[in-house]
Amino acid sequence: AQTVTQSQPEMSVQEAETVTLSCTYDTSESDYYLFWYKQPPSRQMILVIRQEAYKQQNATENRFSVNFQKAAKSFSLKISDSQLGDAAMYFCAFSQGGSEKLVFGKGTKLTVNP
Amino acid sequence: SAVISQKPSRDICQRGTSLTIQCQVDSQVTMMFWYRQQPGQSLTLIATANQGSEATYESGFVIDKFPISRPNLTFSTLTVSNMSPEDSSIYLCSARYNYGYTFGSGTRLTVV
Repeated sequence: AQTVTQSQPEMSVQEAETVTLSCTYDTSESDYYLFWYKQPPSRQMILVIRQEAYKQQNATENRFSVNFQKAAKSFSLKISDSQLGDAAMYFCAFSQGGSEKLVFGKGTKLTVNP
Repeated sequence: SAVISQKPSRDICQRGTSLTIQCQVDSQVTMMFWYRQQPGQSLTLIATANQGSEATYESGFVIDKFPISRPNLTFSTLTVSNMSPEDSSIYLCSARYNYGYTFGSGTRLTVV
């Protein structure tokens, strides 16, 4: 079974600084997708970024980028120029083949200090 | 991306009763999912619901407790039956679309 591990229950960052959230996963499959979701106190799950396993290039969305290390099964999220609105729970998630259920990590609570 | 309208957003229910949560998607989707999330915790998948077939339940969840309906490609319901305080949680629905997965805004259920 696929598993997703987020080893940082909590992280904090100063406004305008950069922070990296860690995620590792375990799978024997070659076709899969990885996601980072943000969940603010409103409970709404917001897709931050996604990565297809077959793509070597790391995904980037504005201030958010990933470091995808397929051999190491690592998928970290870098947030640049952190803003107060980035404060939230961040979940790393895995989907086999992109059409199956999402498997979530336990989450990392990010605090942004002014 | 697809947008999901989930209702109710919260409810307080008496033990022994049932609550039905509804999710309406603004476009047709093949697969929908139901999750449970304890406050401050991660999401646990309850079941996968495909239109026209029985829902597939994860280990620890059974149809008698969490019956699911999927009458068409834009709608699904989850019922929490014979509730106990242990069922107090946040319930979220989700749908797969072409870029990823979208989520409803969640239902906060409190059983007293």
